[in-house]
Amino acid sequence: KAGVTQTPRYLIKTRGQQVTLSCSPISGHRSVSWYQQTPGQGLQFLFEYFSETQRNKGNFPGRFSGRQFSNSRSEMNVSTLELGDSALYLCASSRGRTDTQYFGPGTRLTVL
Amino acid sequence: GESVGLHLPTLSVQEGDNSIINCAYSNSASDYFIWYKQESGKGPQFIIDIRSNMDKRQGQRVTVLLNKTVKHLSLQIAATQPGDSAVYFCAENIYNFNKFYFGSGTKLNVKP
Repeated sequence: KAGVTQTPRYLIKTRGQQVTLSCSPISGHRSVSWYQQTPGQGLQFLFEYFSETQRNKGNFPGRFSGRQFSNSRSEMNVSTLELGDSALYLCASSRGRTDTQYFGPGTRLTVL
Repeated sequence: GESVGLHLPTLSVQEGDNSIINCAYSNSASDYFIWYKQESGKGPQFIIDIRSNMDKRQGQRVTVLLNKTVKHLSLQIAATQPGDSAVYFCAENIYNFNKFYFGSGTKLNVKP
């Protein structure tokens, strides 16, 4: 069974731009969570989607948003990029909301 | 937010020795814990999990111990190998809430 896939793997943007990242969960998994990983802050929870609905949200500004499609694939969007948004963005999927989360390889975003 | 921390940021062990990585959590309502391993350039990889109704759980070469009295979690790796070199994270979750909080990570260096 294929694992969690994320595209693109690497991305370079400039301040003020916006970006969309994509995540395809493991087949049969309906819950998708997003995390931001930086050296200084570690892994921080962004949001969780289940059945196309956002179920949980972390402490991030409204510039960070996401959605989930009927096939459980998810996208997250960051608008008006700031230098501090440079990070590894990780997606994790689980079968149900209380099941083990499996991570994708991440998207490395660099904001110049 | 909730706090999950690790006692040691870096742990160096000799190949073949046993490793113990510790984690403290602050939310007494947390009842599901996971250990992840993250190698350079990759997303976190699930190692082992434990629910709060257990004190110990064993996997292949790994054992997780949970002490709810002092809110402490540990990961024991037997016969540590060079391939075990990575950053290890503990994560806590309040059951049925599906919002994981991650520790800052411990880097394990295995010396040949």
